[in-house]
Amino acid sequence: KAGVTQTPRYLIKTRGQQVTLSCSPISGHRSVSWYQQTPGQGLQFLFEYFSETQRNKGNFPGRFSGRQFSNSRSEMNVSTLELGDSALYLCASSFTGGNTEAFFGQGTRLTVV
Amino acid sequence: GQNIDQPTEMTATEGAIVQINCTYQTSGFNGLFWYQQHAGEAPTFLSYNVLDGLEEKGRFSSFLSRSKGYSYLLLKELQMKDSASYLCAVRVHPSRDDKIIFGKGTRLHILP
Repeated sequence: KAGVTQTPRYLIKTRGQQVTLSCSPISGHRSVSWYQQTPGQGLQFLFEYFSETQRNKGNFPGRFSGRQFSNSRSEMNVSTLELGDSALYLCASSFTGGNTEAFFGQGTRLTVV
Repeated sequence: GQNIDQPTEMTATEGAIVQINCTYQTSGFNGLFWYQQHAGEAPTFLSYNVLDGLEEKGRFSSFLSRSKGYSYLLLKELQMKDSASYLCAVRVHPSRDDKIIFGKGTRLHILP
C-alpha cells in the first residue's frame, strides 16, 4: 500500500510570506501528526489531528496552524514566515494515534530567505 | 518540563554490539518509542515499550525502566547500513494533552 505522501518536497519562501504544506496519510489511517525538525532542536511536535479535529498541540506560536479533511488528508499552514522557520517538516500517520506505530512521510524541506 | 537526553554521537565497529541510552524526565509517561532515521530520509519505527523489560526484535532490542526514567536500544551484529540517527521518543500526557516528545537523536557511525 502507498506510504505517507508529503507535498511539496522542497519550498523556498521569503520572510513574511505564508506557506501551506500537505500530507496524505496511509489509507485507513485517521491520525496525522506534524513535526518540525532542525539540526539544533531535533524533532519537535507541532500538532495532531484525528477525525478532522485537533487532538493535541505542541508549543508553537499561533502562526502555525493546521487542519484535517474528511479523507484524513491534512494541511499545515505557517503565516508570516520567519528565517527560523526554515526546517524539515514531517508528518506521521497512524491508525488511531496513541501508542500505535506511526509512519513518517519524506518531509517538506522549507527554506525561508 | 519535559526532557529527553541521549548521546549526540557514537561510533562502533561492523559486527559489534552497541547500546544507545536514553533518559527522560517527563510528566505522564505513556510509552517510549525508538526510531531510526537515515540522512535525508524519514524516521522509521523500530520499537515501542510501555512496560518495564526487554523487547527483542531481530538484531534490535529495546529496554525500559520506568522507575529510573531510562531506556536503551541495543543493536547486535552491526552492519554498515545501521549508520543512522536513532531517536528516542516519549509519549506524555501532562494534562489532557497527549503528545510525543523526541530526543535530539544519537548519530551512530559504523566503522568497517
